[in-house]
Amino acid sequence: NAGVTQTPKFRVLKTGQSMTLLCAQDMNHEYMYWYRQDPGMGLRLIHYSVGEGTTAKGEVPDGYNVSRLKKQNFLLGLESAAPSQTSVYFCASTRQSGNTIYFGEGSWLTVV
Amino acid sequence: GENVEQHPSTLSVQEGDSAVIKCTYSDSASNYFPWYKQELGKGPQLIIDIRSNVGEKKDQRIAVTLNKTAKHFSLHITETQPEDSAVYFCAASKAGDMRFGAGTRLTVKP
Repeated sequence: NAGVTQTPKFRVLKTGQSMTLLCAQDMNHEYMYWYRQDPGMGLRLIHYSVGEGTTAKGEVPDGYNVSRLKKQNFLLGLESAAPSQTSVYFCASTRQSGNTIYFGEGSWLTVV
Repeated sequence: GENVEQHPSTLSVQEGDSAVIKCTYSDSASNYFPWYKQELGKGPQLIIDIRSNVGEKKDQRIAVTLNKTAKHFSLHITETQPEDSAVYFCAASKAGDMRFGAGTRLTVKP
């Protein structure tokens, strides 16, 4: 009964380094999302996917790339990390638009 | 894109009182409006949702109302309890694109 699983849970990066956050869901959901959460700003949509092989930009996509090569996985990449990308990142998934979205437990990323 | 505004940012009530959180949205094509509760160190969890063809929905102590004409929706919690203390988020969704409000930190004082 895993639901939505994010790895890693914690990471410290140096400015300019690259990394990938992995999201996996075992509910056969079509839609997957990456959000970032910063104090006082709620959850902001970075990118999302409405199905395997598709991706779309959200409201804050700059500096991030995503891939959805397999239906169960949604990867978020930072090519050249910046301190402004220090945040908590949440992955989420849902069966279809208008259904309950299930969130992972979050990934805490610090860029120094 | 969709813009969701949420008020108030903080709310403190006495146990047993009611709490109301309000949200407005900008895109009239949005058709799904969930509310999430987030506890410290965890991901948000759905507490109630409403679709655009419904004006009100209730689940025990929690209710949500939607005014499509005015493009606003509200969360009502009655008989609040200390365990209701958390951050609450509203959201608006259209075709899979879901945007969230900035959140309301609710504190219920015993």
